[in-house]
Amino acid sequence: GQNIDQPTEMTATEGAIVQINCTYQTSGFNGLFWYQQHAGEAPTFLSYNVLDGLEEKGRFSSFLSRSKGYSYLLLKELQMKDSASYLCAVRDDYKLSFGAGTTVTVRA
Amino acid sequence: SAVISQKPSRDICQRGTSLTIQCQVDSQVTMMFWYRQQPGQSLTLIATANQGSEATYESGFVIDKFPISRPNLTFSTLTVSNMSPEDSSIYLCSVGSESDGYTFGSGTRLTVV
Repeated sequence: GQNIDQPTEMTATEGAIVQINCTYQTSGFNGLFWYQQHAGEAPTFLSYNVLDGLEEKGRFSSFLSRSKGYSYLLLKELQMKDSASYLCAVRDDYKLSFGAGTTVTVRA
Repeated sequence: SAVISQKPSRDICQRGTSLTIQCQVDSQVTMMFWYRQQPGQSLTLIATANQGSEATYESGFVIDKFPISRPNLTFSTLTVSNMSPEDSSIYLCSVGSESDGYTFGSGTRLTVV
């Protein structure tokens, strides 16, 4: 079975940094994805990690440790538009299994 | 990355009826998936749509309730059959690509009354 855990909610101030953790226990592993989903919209792809280490993409970075079954998404220089749900998803073979999502609220 | 056109974007349906959702992709893709996202929850995979053969369903989902067609590598449909209020949800199609991540359609918001 697949077990993917992430915090339910996080709140941060505009301009700050927030780190969203994701731990997983899955029957197989072929990579980990992070998605952003604004209310009423489809998820949009943020990052993909298949090897251990940090991947940086502008204000967003994602880290993976396969031995620990752990990933995090780091959002820097937070903007109001970053208020959204962030979904961690593990790929097993060709299928994605999603965590429940973390709702991030950015306050002025 | 692939661009997906999904329709309808929303619908309100009577219980006992069926709704067919369509997804059109702007390029040929091998892997195509259908997900359900219930209110306030994350995405659950319904099935993988296979071109030229029957779809592969996840545990808890059956072909009689969610028949899927995949006539070619750019198009798929999902039908929600004999609907009940519990089927009210957002339904999304997705195509897979390692380099670009898995891309999602804009979703179909279904309300069953």
